[in-house]
Amino acid sequence: QVQLQESGPGLVKPSETMSLTCTVSGGSMNSYYWSWIRQSPGKGLEWIGHIHFSGSTNYNPSLQSRVTISVDTSKNQFSLKLTSVTAADTAVYYCAHKVQSNWFEPWGQGTLVTVSS
Amino acid sequence: DIQMTQSPPSLSASAGDRVTITCRASQSISGYLNWYQQKPGKAPKLLIYAASILQSGVPSRFSGSGSGTDFTLTISSLQPEDFGTYFCQQSHNTPFTFGPGTKVDVK
Repeated sequence: QVQLQESGPGLVKPSETMSLTCTVSGGSMNSYYWSWIRQSPGKGLEWIGHIHFSGSTNYNPSLQSRVTISVDTSKNQFSLKLTSVTAADTAVYYCAHKVQSNWFEPWGQGTLVTVSS
Repeated sequence: DIQMTQSPPSLSASAGDRVTITCRASQSISGYLNWYQQKPGKAPKLLIYAASILQSGVPSRFSGSGSGTDFTLTISSLQPEDFGTYFCQQSHNTPFTFGPGTKVDVK
């Protein structure tokens, strides 16, 4: 059973770039899609985007100008970068495996990122 | 974007009760609807995909139905461990969107 684990800073200053990494264990990243989803009290669950093991990406248009998702299959990791963060980006960030038919399972445990000076 | 709504926002029921949660999409999504359960402090867990297919390992008291714009999640006999928040998610097209959730409390 594939397991995912997020890592990265829990506190980011406004206007800076947030970077998170998801490490995949218990299976190969090949032939699958890998997603980032965030959850905040104000916006609920929000799909950020996903990446195929080949490197092709698909982003939420609401975040597309600020988001980059990348993958390193040699390390069994994929990453999220979000630029020019504001308080509205404060959320629990989850990484998740996405199947071809676009549901998400499993998910990582989530990591809280707070944007504050 | 496809907007997802859920009702009720919360409910409280007794163990053994039949519970129904409704999810509505702002446009037809055929059968591209998934349900998740989230417990406090934990990640969501997939319960049902493609509107009515039970994820492996999920108890059979959970069931899903619907197509087009209207969907339901039913728990046939509520158990104490079924507390949590239930979310629907449309997988018809991007951006994938989630409902606001229904919080279930077991009396």
